[in-house]
Amino acid sequence: DAGVIQSPRHEVTEMGQEVTLRCKPISGHDYLFWYRQTMMRGLELLIYFNNNVPIDDSGMPEDRFSAKMPNASFSTLKIQPSEPRDSAVYFCASSRSDRVHTGELFFGEGSRLTVL
Amino acid sequence: DAKTTQPPSMDCAEGRAANLPCNHSTISGNEYVYWYRQIHSQGPQYIIHGLKNNETNEMASLIITEDRKSSTLILPHATLRDTAVYYCIVRVATGNQFYFGTGTSLTVIP
Repeated sequence: DAGVIQSPRHEVTEMGQEVTLRCKPISGHDYLFWYRQTMMRGLELLIYFNNNVPIDDSGMPEDRFSAKMPNASFSTLKIQPSEPRDSAVYFCASSRSDRVHTGELFFGEGSRLTVL
Repeated sequence: DAKTTQPPSMDCAEGRAANLPCNHSTISGNEYVYWYRQIHSQGPQYIIHGLKNNETNEMASLIITEDRKSSTLILPHATLRDTAVYYCIVRVATGNQFYFGTGTSLTVIP
């Protein structure tokens, strides 16, 4: 079974550039989560979707961040403009309705973003 | 909003049981205990969860004290591949947010 697929795995960009991270959840999963991980703050939930609808975006740091889920098999996290403090590993995770409440989230391998 | 306390690091000899403690003294009656682990450069991986009864699956056992204020994750026969950061998390079953905290860095020693 294919797991959660994220791209790119690594991204290096310059301050001010737009960054788009992509995620393909596991087929049949109706929950999708975006997390960010840094040494200072650990793993933080940014936003999550249920049936392609954003449910809670309270973790999104500021207006420079936006996330979309145009269909059940694709989501994007966009940062525009990017800043050095956005450097982190961004994880996407997915789950099913009958599993999300048991805590079984399936994570991708992450996208490591470096903003110079 | 970390509601758990874990030791920052632990070592375990290969083949021995690894016992990872977690303190959650403010846990509420409707909150579950979850364990995840994160191997270097990978995403977190679900291990096990429980409410008040001890639980066991193919990966580990979870022992929750009777007052539910602490728990222990047991890896019965640790291997080098179990070297990872282990996160203990509490949350209500209907909640969708996991607060991972800083976890315990387990090193399995040959």
